[in-house]
Amino acid sequence: NAGVTQTPKFRILKIGQSMTLQCTQDMNHNYMYWYRQDPGMGLKLIYYSVGAGITDKGEVPNGYNVSRSTTEDFPLRLELAAPSQTSVYFCASRIVPSFNEQFFGPGTRLTVL
Amino acid sequence: AQKITQTQPGMFVQEKEAVTLDCTYDTSDQSYGLFWYKQPSSGEMIFLIYQGSYDEQNATEGRYSLNFQKARKSANLVISASQLGDSAMYFCAMREANFGNEKLTFGTGTRLTIIP
Repeated sequence: NAGVTQTPKFRILKIGQSMTLQCTQDMNHNYMYWYRQDPGMGLKLIYYSVGAGITDKGEVPNGYNVSRSTTEDFPLRLELAAPSQTSVYFCASRIVPSFNEQFFGPGTRLTVL
Repeated sequence: AQKITQTQPGMFVQEKEAVTLDCTYDTSDQSYGLFWYKQPSSGEMIFLIYQGSYDEQNATEGRYSLNFQKARKSANLVISASQLGDSAMYFCAMREANFGNEKLTFGTGTRLTIIP
């Protein structure tokens, strides 16, 4: 199993551009999550999904959109990028109710200039 | 109010000594889970240990143990016999689940440095 994979690893955006961060997991996990980690801080939950077709907002959803059309994929869309969205983005997944551990992807480092 | 408080921004510990990383939390839920994650300089998040609010025993995983004191709302991580590879950021996190609405909150972390 590859686990949780994220692409791209790094990206630089100009203000106002849009992009999609990709996240895929091959563990058949039902729950998936997007977090952002600002420098020197902990992770903050952006959006999560409890299964295909179901998504819900986390703590900091403004400026982002998500969709979950399959169990495996959970892309995060940034519309009209702003410097405040400069961060490291982590995708994670877990299987409910069997396990509590979240499996994290390697992260995407995004800079908005 | 902060949901998860980690009061130690940084700690320096001699190799082979035990270390305790502090974490206090705030919730009105009866059912919740507490986690510790390690983030080395390479950036990935590594799960260390989990404690459920109804678990009567403190969780242990190898050299990691969680000192869970429910009445004090504290969930400290204890690392025994520290190693150089333990140098990293450590995050405490809590999951609350209320009518299917998951809320996950991370603390600001503690940077642990192991001194040879």
